[in-house]
Amino acid sequence: GQQVMQIPQYQHVQEGEDFTTYCNSSTTLSNIQWYKQRPGGHPVFLIQLVKSGEVKKQKRLTFQFGEAKKNSSLHITATQTTDVGTYFCAGNGYGQNFVFGPGTRLSVLP
Amino acid sequence: DVKVTQSSRYLVKRTGEKVFLECVQDMDHENMFWYRQDPGLGLRLIYFSYDVKMKEKGDIPEGYSVSREKKERFSLILESASTNQTSMYLCASSFGRRGDTQYFGPGTRLTVL
Repeated sequence: GQQVMQIPQYQHVQEGEDFTTYCNSSTTLSNIQWYKQRPGGHPVFLIQLVKSGEVKKQKRLTFQFGEAKKNSSLHITATQTTDVGTYFCAGNGYGQNFVFGPGTRLSVLP
Repeated sequence: DVKVTQSSRYLVKRTGEKVFLECVQDMDHENMFWYRQDPGLGLRLIYFSYDVKMKEKGDIPEGYSVSREKKERFSLILESASTNQTSMYLCASSFGRRGDTQYFGPGTRLTVL
């Protein structure tokens, strides 16, 4: 079945440093979504990417969907303590349900 | 704002007990999902439902069943709880059939002793 992997599993950064998490699927995806889960909270939708090579920005966050629609990345510029949490990607193959990656837990040291 | 509520934030049960987890959404969403979340494994789909009285197995349905008698309510049932079902359970709902944004409830942390 479809598998979604994320690296790294954990990332510790100093406040102000950049951060990137990568998402890779074993199959071609129809679209990919990113979610953020704050400590003690529940996943909250951030964005959806649909087109091959698509790039979207939300303030300091940049999301990219690979040309082959099998990978994606989330890049945060100049991290802040409010960025702390676990970032999940979720992808669905054509006609398939979403499969969530294991997540990347980000901690930001002030 | 979409609101998804779950009946309990924390639950402690004994091995062999029957456990009901309730989820209610207020946005008239067609689809509802139950996930369990474990460290390092992300969110794994247990069951989902695209309509009232309709259910489909997810990736890890063993030991669980579900019920959807009304559109807004989706229940997860552990017929005979076991210690390996200790986990965080998250309910979600979405409007479209597949590929739409999922809105999550706050989660129920279940401990089976």
